Amino acid sequence: GAVVSQHPSRVICKSGTSVKIECRSLDFQATTMFWYRQFPKQSLMLMATSNEGSKATYEQGVEKDKFLINHASLTLSTLTVTSAHPEDSSFYICSARAGVYQPQHFGDGTRLSIL
Amino acid sequence: DAKTTQPPSMDCAEGRAANLPCNHSTISGNEYVYWYRQIHSQGPQYIIHGLKNNETNEMASLIITEDRKSSTLILPHATLRDTAVYYCIVRVAFYSGGGADGLTFGKGTHLIIQP
Repeated sequence: GAVVSQHPSRVICKSGTSVKIECRSLDFQATTMFWYRQFPKQSLMLMATSNEGSKATYEQGVEKDKFLINHASLTLSTLTVTSAHPEDSSFYICSARAGVYQPQHFGDGTRLSIL
Repeated sequence: DAKTTQPPSMDCAEGRAANLPCNHSTISGNEYVYWYRQIHSQGPQYIIHGLKNNETNEMASLIITEDRKSSTLILPHATLRDTAVYYCIVRVAFYSGGGADGLTFGKGTHLIIQP
């Protein structure tokens, strides 16, 4: 149980394009989803917390207009990297939680490479 | 969230028990101990969590000292597939005030299972 699916697993695109990443909880309803970013040889860093039906809460230093998060249903959250540039290249990972006392379960991540 | 200290790396022979320590001397009464692991190029995998009692599931056992200032994750029969970075995270179950509610990942312990 507690499977989180993330798609796509890898994206390579040109600078200036926008990229959408999907995160789905397959066998549970997720009231809260989270988006993390991991640069090479570093730990995961939380970008934003997303509660279904409300605006996401972004961590300090994360541009909300650049990283658009939509959590329209209890099983789907999307992260759109708008006008991506090479410095946005990273490993983006989502997680989902079934309830406030439940642990977070993570997707397998999306490796984004901006040329 | 309370700070945790883990050894940067450990080796363990295949088939033996792997014991991963974590110090969290500033843990407060309502903070849980969570363990996750991250296999290379994948999203983190939830292993186990506990408050003060020892916990066991199909993956591992969690031993928390009586004063709760340290804990040990035990993988009873390590296999090569258990090679990963293991993260010990201490935090409250959830933040009732809303807002950012994600996990803070440190550097973890790189566990290498030797054949």
